[in-house]
Amino acid sequence: QVQLVESGGGLVKPGGSLRLSCAASGFTFSDYYMSWIRQAPGKGLEWVSYISSSGSTIYYADSVKGRFTISRDNAKNSLYLQMNSLRAEDTAVYYCARDGGILNYWGQGTLVTVSS
Amino acid sequence: DIQMTQSPSSLSASVGDRVTITCQASQDISNYLNWYQQKPGKAPKLLIYDASNLETGVPSRFSGSGSGTDFTFTISSLQPEDIATYYCQQYDNLPPNTFGQGTRLEIK
Repeated sequence: QVQLVESGGGLVKPGGSLRLSCAASGFTFSDYYMSWIRQAPGKGLEWVSYISSSGSTIYYADSVKGRFTISRDNAKNSLYLQMNSLRAEDTAVYYCARDGGILNYWGQGTLVTVSS
Repeated sequence: DIQMTQSPSSLSASVGDRVTITCQASQDISNYLNWYQQKPGKAPKLLIYDASNLETGVPSRFSGSGSGTDFTFTISSLQPEDIATYYCQQYDNLPPNTFGQGTRLEIK
């Protein structure tokens, strides 16, 4: 069955960096767009970034543009999010999701806490 | 960007009640509207896609309707396990995926 497993979250100081990973299985990863979506504590869902199946098309939310970089390795069935210049407001659970417009598979999420 | 206005933000209802949540798009999104359920500490789960299609395995008490700018999500008979936060999401005009603010559903 389809499985998405995020990793790489943790506690980081403001201005620091973190790289999230999402390991995919149970489907042909290279056929699907993928997205990162986050949820700040007690808040709603915020789309962060998505990447096309080949990696040629990438979009970012304005709130992370210039600081975050999405990438994928189809040979390793993996999605990544490099997060630089982290701010307190980036504190959230980060989910990866298979994105065909319809977000029918999500990972369990990984918590990123930005605090001094 | 398309804005999604979801209401109410919270709702208290009794077991067996009919529950309705609405979502309004800032422009015509045809039927490119999905509904998700999120329980505390869990990832969102797709319930309804393309405004009115029930995802496989989802109980039939859940339903959705609407097109254009106005959409409705209904639970026909509320069950205790339906306690969650519900989100609408549009995908007519990407990026971005846009979510509603969420509706927190509680048992009265």
